[in-house]
Amino acid sequence: DAKTTQPNSMESNEEEPVHLPCNHSTISGTDYIHWYRQLPSQGPEYVIHGLTSNVNNRMASLAIAEDRKSSTLILHRATLRDAAVYYCILRDNEGGAGSYQLTFGKGTKLSVIP
Amino acid sequence: NAGVTQTPKFRILKIGQSMTLQCTQDMNHNYMYWYRQDPGMGLKLIYYSVGAGITDKGEVPNGYNVSRSTTEDFPLRLELAAPSQTSVYFCASSRGQGVWTEAFFGQGTRLTVV
Repeated sequence: DAKTTQPNSMESNEEEPVHLPCNHSTISGTDYIHWYRQLPSQGPEYVIHGLTSNVNNRMASLAIAEDRKSSTLILHRATLRDAAVYYCILRDNEGGAGSYQLTFGKGTKLSVIP
Repeated sequence: NAGVTQTPKFRILKIGQSMTLQCTQDMNHNYMYWYRQDPGMGLKLIYYSVGAGITDKGEVPNGYNVSRSTTEDFPLRLELAAPSQTSVYFCASSRGQGVWTEAFFGQGTRLTVV
């Protein structure tokens, strides 16, 4: 899986939008962009994924740059429960053993201030 | 719907002891995975399985063994515990291997080897 770069930490005020950036300058045309988050003392949970177009679901929105070299996870209204480590992961659609695993970096630790 | 269940939640082992970390899922997923997470780091894949009777090594398989006799269960065996195996272990499952599918994680097993 191609490499991603995320800030180590970010802060947000409660009830304000949060934009979590991810750079993936070496992304290939077949890589999907996935986001997972890990709440304290919990296992990771899926947030959203996309390929080229912006995506929305009940948890968040994913904005993908036109050249696909970066993406942004958007939480529209941060709550205290959104305090977690957020991981941006590229998954290769080419198959093979590498396509089975999720390659987690260190992610971005989001703190939400009441 | 319980999802992915791991037992035990915590365990302390002495060097050289053995143990089995249990993982079961009730979503009828074919694909199951074991990851480990060291403090402040991302997750690393230990072993994975694409169906009953089929397992394969991930990124860090040394010191571990797995079996998959049923779709539901995917136990991880530590034969001779070493301090380097002190970590949090996560089991996960997914419906398929496609890069568009999400993985579901258990709550984790925190293992300390002393």
